[in-house]
Amino acid sequence: GENVEQHPSTLSVQEGDSAVIKCTYSDSASNYFPWYKQELGKRPQLIIDIRSNVGEKKDQRIAVTLNKTAKHFSLHITETQPEDSAVYFCAASIHGNNDMRFGAGTRLTVKP
Amino acid sequence: KAGVTQTPRYLIKTRGQQVTLSCSPISGHRSVSWYQQTPGQGLQFLFEYFSETQRNKGNFPGRFSGRQFSNSRSEMNVSTLELGDSALYLCASSLAPSGGGETQYFGPGTRLLVL
Repeated sequence: GENVEQHPSTLSVQEGDSAVIKCTYSDSASNYFPWYKQELGKRPQLIIDIRSNVGEKKDQRIAVTLNKTAKHFSLHITETQPEDSAVYFCAASIHGNNDMRFGAGTRLTVKP
Repeated sequence: KAGVTQTPRYLIKTRGQQVTLSCSPISGHRSVSWYQQTPGQGLQFLFEYFSETQRNKGNFPGRFSGRQFSNSRSEMNVSTLELGDSALYLCASSLAPSGGGETQYFGPGTRLLVL
């Protein structure tokens, strides 16, 4: 089955700096890659996703890039703010396989 | 639209007991997935239901089971509870199975504590 690895497990940045979280996946058939943000005590919330037919997607300060050849995708957050502090999860799913595999999560801390 | 709801939100059980958790998806969503979230293991896929059929199952023992009703509401059951079952159980709904690239929306979770 699909295996998703996520790095780093913790990340601390200064407010205003950029943060990058990377994930690798094992199954080249994976075609959907969402990113979720989970604040303390809250449910995971989708923040951005990308499908395998595109290489990059942006939404304001958040962007995701996908390298299908290398089987990795990354989340980029620019101009970080303290409210970006949360645990971020990447995930991958394979068309028709009916399950979503998550990375272990990255705890991002943005210091004011 | 109302979001995904889960009941109960908190639960305390003792070893050996069984528990049933409920998940009501977003109206119109027919797929429900269940995940176990623990501090050390992250989000672990349990199973997914679509149109009352289990479509896939993660690597969990047979003590973990589930079902889905005709209104798409889903329940999961854990029998013979063990201490290691203490976790946050999240369900997520989507219009169609997640493998089709459908966005999943999570519920608030049920926090289970096994003593």
